[in-house]
Amino acid sequence: KQEVTQIPAALSVPEGENLVLNCSFTDSAIYNLQWFRQDPGKGLTSLLLIQSSQREQTSGRLNASLDKSSGRSTLYIAASQPGDSATYLCAVRTGGFKTIFGAGTRLFVKA
Amino acid sequence: DTGVSQNPRHKITKRGQNVTFRCDPISEHNRLYWYRQTLGQGPEFLTYFQNEAQLEKSRLLSDRFSAERPKGSFSTLEIQRTEQGDSAMYLCASSLETSTDTQYFGPGTRLTVL
Repeated sequence: KQEVTQIPAALSVPEGENLVLNCSFTDSAIYNLQWFRQDPGKGLTSLLLIQSSQREQTSGRLNASLDKSSGRSTLYIAASQPGDSATYLCAVRTGGFKTIFGAGTRLFVKA
Repeated sequence: DTGVSQNPRHKITKRGQNVTFRCDPISEHNRLYWYRQTLGQGPEFLTYFQNEAQLEKSRLLSDRFSAERPKGSFSTLEIQRTEQGDSAMYLCASSLETSTDTQYFGPGTRLTVL
């Protein structure tokens, strides 16, 4: 059974700091891994998607890496801004169509 | 196209009542997903449609839950005889059957069962 864990559960950093969010999964047989952002009371916004054959994806100040063999992904945020404050969710799609989410990391960037 | 829409955005009901939620996916997307999210947790997969066919269904989806996607367009999720434990955010997502298959989420319907 696939399980997804995100560490840390919460993080508070000063503006301008570079930071790394971690995601681990128990079964390396995945189709893809997606990082989302969720603002309070809102739906999810897709940030980056990494296919199982890829090692990383980049978008602006965001970089996501994937190491299937170790069951890990990281989301790197460069030069954090107060507008980056949100919950970041990691999601793994299995070989079927089921997507398993972690509980998320709540990020607060202080101005 | 403005993305995935869900209605209503909020629903308050009494225990035992039936409720129905609607999801309108991005128009060209043939894949549609329903999730449930409780406070402090990530979304939990409920069910998946490819066009009008319901191809995968979680064991979380008890007999009181039913979902449809007539004609492969909008989808409805009905909960019969609601219980307080059904209180949650119900999220819908859609995607296009391509190699990337990125899921795009709607704003969700928040259900409160009194």
